[in-house]
Amino acid sequence: GAVVSQHPSWVICKSGTSVKIECRSLDFQATTMFWYRQFPKQSLMLMATSNEGSKATYEQGVEKDKFLINHASLTLSTLTVTSAHPEDSSFYICSALLTSGAYNEQFFGPGTRLTVL
Amino acid sequence: GNSVTQMEGPVTLSEEAFLTINCTYTATGYPSLFWYVQYPGEGLQLLLKATKADDKGSNKGFEATYRKETTSFHLEKGSVQVSDSAVYFCARGSQGNLIFGKGTKLSVKP
Repeated sequence: GAVVSQHPSWVICKSGTSVKIECRSLDFQATTMFWYRQFPKQSLMLMATSNEGSKATYEQGVEKDKFLINHASLTLSTLTVTSAHPEDSSFYICSALLTSGAYNEQFFGPGTRLTVL
Repeated sequence: GNSVTQMEGPVTLSEEAFLTINCTYTATGYPSLFWYVQYPGEGLQLLLKATKADDKGSNKGFEATYRKETTSFHLEKGSVQVSDSAVYFCARGSQGNLIFGKGTKLSVKP
């Protein structure tokens, strides 16, 4: 099946610094990628939809200036958490949408654990 | 609003036991319904889906039937294996717009 990778798998940073998370579709091209956030014992919450070559669409309540998304190629989307604070500590998951004719399916990365000290 | 509610875990079963993980949804219209599985250290994988009422999705011995009258999509397996230990997520919507439940952790003991 289609494979999506994320890097890094975990990161620890100091409060006030920025962290970049990469999401790559390894064996297919994805015009659309999604970024989710998951809190312990909670469901995945969609943060934003990333579209190659255009601005991301953010869900209500998600600060676009804090969570910068760049989808510069058909195989790479990045999420940058700017001026991170402890409340940004979470599990971030990306997915890439594989589309072929009428078929479409999201394929998910393994997630990135962010801890802000 | 649209939401998905699934039974809280963790669920611990012995090998070959019968599994049911309940999932109900609220929605306007008739969304597609999905079950995803997340094995340790891996990303979510689509396990099965159903796109309309009375559809039954099945894969790897797991089944779920789209019940419009009870707005449910319960996951079942007749005989679980240790390798089925994972977190299971129910979801509704479309592949371009998924809403997930909180996930249910399943542990199967030999």
